[in-house]
Amino acid sequence: DTGVSQDPRHKITKRGQNVTFRCDPISEHNRLYWYRQTLGQGPEFLTYFQNEAQLEKSRLLSDRFSAERPKGSFSTLEIQRTEQGDSAMYLCASSLGAGGSGSEQFFGPGTRLTVL
Amino acid sequence: DAKTTQPPSMDCAEGRAANLPCNHSTISGNEYVYWYRQIHSQGPQYIIHGLKNNETNEMASLIITEDRKSSTLILPHATLRDTAVYYCIVRAPSGGYQKVTFGIGTKLQVIP
Repeated sequence: DTGVSQDPRHKITKRGQNVTFRCDPISEHNRLYWYRQTLGQGPEFLTYFQNEAQLEKSRLLSDRFSAERPKGSFSTLEIQRTEQGDSAMYLCASSLGAGGSGSEQFFGPGTRLTVL
Repeated sequence: DAKTTQPPSMDCAEGRAANLPCNHSTISGNEYVYWYRQIHSQGPQYIIHGLKNNETNEMASLIITEDRKSSTLILPHATLRDTAVYYCIVRAPSGGYQKVTFGIGTKLQVIP
């Protein structure tokens, strides 16, 4: 399967713990995005990478959140000192950015986080 | 990106065409209309996009009105597997990055 993969698919943690999620994009895609989705809502943009550079962060991304893409391939999203409000589905997407209209994003299956 | 308005839910009989409307009255000249869908517990899936001409692919057809203020996604023969939330999004072509702003979408229920 050459799609976007995410690990783990599910994570249950206690409030105050740190968690880290991984995203492996489609191999030739230079752009990578993180979104968060809560129940009944559409996905909300969190952050975007072009290659290894993090070019934008949403205001939703508090200081407890950090994302990296060290070699321009896989990415990690870490949440420190988790809170119950962090419970959500965390989605990763990738695209091949080259201008024009055809650079649609391909999404992974998501990581569902439950903070107890 | 322009704002879109979609009905929150729709039903469609299996085998019939599903027509999902989207209003985007503030769309600007260089913004495309994209459709994604999200089946329960999965990530969103790209369906189709267009600028002003009607488009068709193996999944669906996209009809955009002449004034570009609204569009309709057509699933010609809906199956139970098409039950999902469908998102209509408008955005400019990639020159910079492509933050996608999702709304609540339309929850399509295909009924046997």
